[in-house]
Amino acid sequence: AQSVTQPDIHITVSEGASLELRCNYSYGATPYLFWYVQSPGQGLQLLLKYFSGDTLVQGIKGFEAEFKRSQSSFNLRKPSVHWSDAAEYFCAVGGLTGGGNKLTFGTGTQLKVEL
Amino acid sequence: GAVVSQHPSRVICKSGTSVKIECRSLDFQATTMFWYRQFPKQSLMLMATSNEGSKATYEQGVEKDKFLINHASLTLSTLTVTSAHPEDSSFYICSPTRGEVDYGYTFGSGTRLTVV
Repeated sequence: AQSVTQPDIHITVSEGASLELRCNYSYGATPYLFWYVQSPGQGLQLLLKYFSGDTLVQGIKGFEAEFKRSQSSFNLRKPSVHWSDAAEYFCAVGGLTGGGNKLTFGTGTQLKVEL
Repeated sequence: GAVVSQHPSRVICKSGTSVKIECRSLDFQATTMFWYRQFPKQSLMLMATSNEGSKATYEQGVEKDKFLINHASLTLSTLTVTSAHPEDSSFYICSPTRGEVDYGYTFGSGTRLTVV
């Protein structure tokens, strides 16, 4: 069964500081990996995705993530955080085997940005 | 592209009544629709998967008679919460997909259901 672990429930960073949100996954085949951001009471917005190819993926809003197969990780990074980045971040894994293209989400990381 | 409309955004209903949530893909045909539920401070949990014209497949622990899903067309799916109870209060999010091209990245804006 596929699963996602986001070890950090809450993270607080100062505006302008760098950010790394951790994500580890378990999947039996080549995974499709995603990072989403959710503001309170809103749906999900895709930040970036990895399907194949270059393991360093660039996304929107200055975010990037690196797929490391040996570590089963897909950590999200941003070199300089803005106050508007405060939100909930979800990592997700999926594929096209078994149950089709359904996603499994991690439990999320709540990001707070100190001004 | 990939515009999704989900309504209503918020609904309050009395215990024992039914509530219908609509999810429309406005500029693409969604062959598959996923419905998720999110409790406060928690992650999204898949409730069911439906393919256009077919019966929905429910995840373990989700009552199919309570959460009725209809996916009668490629642009519209509905989730009806029947005989709602306070424990059904949650945030419901739809995710239409047309296949690998937009795999996993279109979501509705969610519906906040409060059952009183």
